Amino acid sequence: AQKVTQAQTEISVVEKEDVTLDCVYETRDTTYYLFWYKQPPSGELVFLIRRNSFDEQNEISGRYSWNFQKSTSSFNFTITASQVVDSAVYFCALSEAGGGSQGNLIFGKGTKLSVKP
Amino acid sequence: DAGVTQSPTHLIKTRGQQVTLRCSPKSGHDTVSWYQQALGQGPQFIFQYYEEEERQRGNFPDRFSGHQFPNYSSELNVNALLLGDSALYLCSFPGPSYNEQFFGPGTRLTVL
Repeated sequence: AQKVTQAQTEISVVEKEDVTLDCVYETRDTTYYLFWYKQPPSGELVFLIRRNSFDEQNEISGRYSWNFQKSTSSFNFTITASQVVDSAVYFCALSEAGGGSQGNLIFGKGTKLSVKP
Repeated sequence: DAGVTQSPTHLIKTRGQQVTLRCSPKSGHDTVSWYQQALGQGPQFIFQYYEEEERQRGNFPDRFSGHQFPNYSSELNVNALLLGDSALYLCSFPGPSYNEQFFGPGTRLTVL
C-alpha cells in the first residue's frame, strides 16, 4: 500500500529562521514520483517540485531545497530564511508510475507553517 | 497561473440533494483528475478521466460520478449528498511535459 506521512502537523517559526518540513513515504514500486505542493489560505494548491525515484540529487530553487533519501524513504523540504509569505499548508504527495497514474496523487495530511514577523 | 478554472467557487446544499461541479483547463488536456479535500486533511483522489472515459477511481462510492467533454472540460456529480461530503473539491490537469499536476482553485461545498 502507498502512504505518505507528514508527522509535523503545525510548525511556527520567526521570520528569517530556517525550517524543514518532513515527509516519509511508503511504496512497493521501484518507479514513483514525489511532489511538494503549497496551499495558501486562498486554497489553491501550488506545485513546487516533482522528483522521480531514480534521481536522488538534492535540488535547490532560491530559498527552497529538497533532500530526497531513498534509504530512509524521505523527501524533506527546507525553506531557508523564511518569510511571512511562506505561511501556508505544505503537502507532500506520491504518485506511482504505470497505468497512466500521473494524476493519482496520494497526499500526506499536510504541515501548517506559520511564519511570524 | 495554472490556467484551471472551477465553478462555482462556493456552494451550499442540503442532505439528499444532487450537485454538479465544473472544471476547465485553459488549453487542451486529455487527462483530468478530481480530488476531495476535507477540512484539515490532504486531498483524496476521487477519479481520473482520459479521453472522455473514467480510467482510474479512488475509494469513493458510486454516488460520485463524472464526465469529460470533447473540449476537455469536466464535471463532477455527487448524488444523495451527505453531511460528510462537505469539502473542497479540486480538479487537476497535467502540465505540458506531464511532469506536474496543476490544480484549480477548487469549489467549496457545504452540505447542511
